[in-house]
Amino acid sequence: QSVLTQPPSASGTPGQRVTISCSGSNSNIGKNSVYWYQQLPGTAPKLLIYKNDQRPSGVPDRFSGSKSGNSASLAIRGLRSEDEADYYCAAWDDSLGGRRLFGGGTKLTVL
Amino acid sequence: EVQLVESGGGLVQPGGSLRLSCAASGFTFTSHWMSWVRQAPGKGLEWVANIKEDGSERYYVDSVKGRFTISRDNAKKSLYLQMNSLRADDTAIYYCAKDQGGAMVSWGQGTLVTVSS
Repeated sequence: QSVLTQPPSASGTPGQRVTISCSGSNSNIGKNSVYWYQQLPGTAPKLLIYKNDQRPSGVPDRFSGSKSGNSASLAIRGLRSEDEADYYCAAWDDSLGGRRLFGGGTKLTVL
Repeated sequence: EVQLVESGGGLVQPGGSLRLSCAASGFTFTSHWMSWVRQAPGKGLEWVANIKEDGSERYYVDSVKGRFTISRDNAKKSLYLQMNSLRADDTAIYYCAKDQGGAMVSWGQGTLVTVSS
């Protein structure tokens, strides 16, 4: 069981807005930045959001991140079929000597 | 273009050893922390270890401490993961990743390690 808690699944229809939550604690999300990674089927993960709400170049602005207290969210607007993937949140955890944590992952299905 | 190419995976018996390599190109290797992340079949991502630019700091997930060693050769632009006393639950795809600003900004394609008798 991951210290960062994500719903195992989420779904939406094309064009919809979906959000994926990530819940942590004071020692991780509460004190440190949150990162989001997208893993398309059969491929390596890709950085989607860094430092809570920043998008690397090349990531569409349909993807956005936010953080409040010990929780974070990834929002995808204008859902497209190619967004079907696994999404992972991540954060450093001060209680673990600064080690990294990943959430358990959320499988997003585009209906 | 950043490229990270892992190698060294394969089938190994429980209790055995394996050394993974990651060849880096397309960026200044000596300016970045590097990480290993693994993914068991059908499971989520698990950060395994990371190492500072000059190798002076290394961190590990508890489950591999004392068994795995992360290292790097900056002259060869290569990252390594020495894995000893391997167990069935170490079976996974192992990815190397380039760190930047706290994020893993580039990933290799991964190498599969299978621990089985």
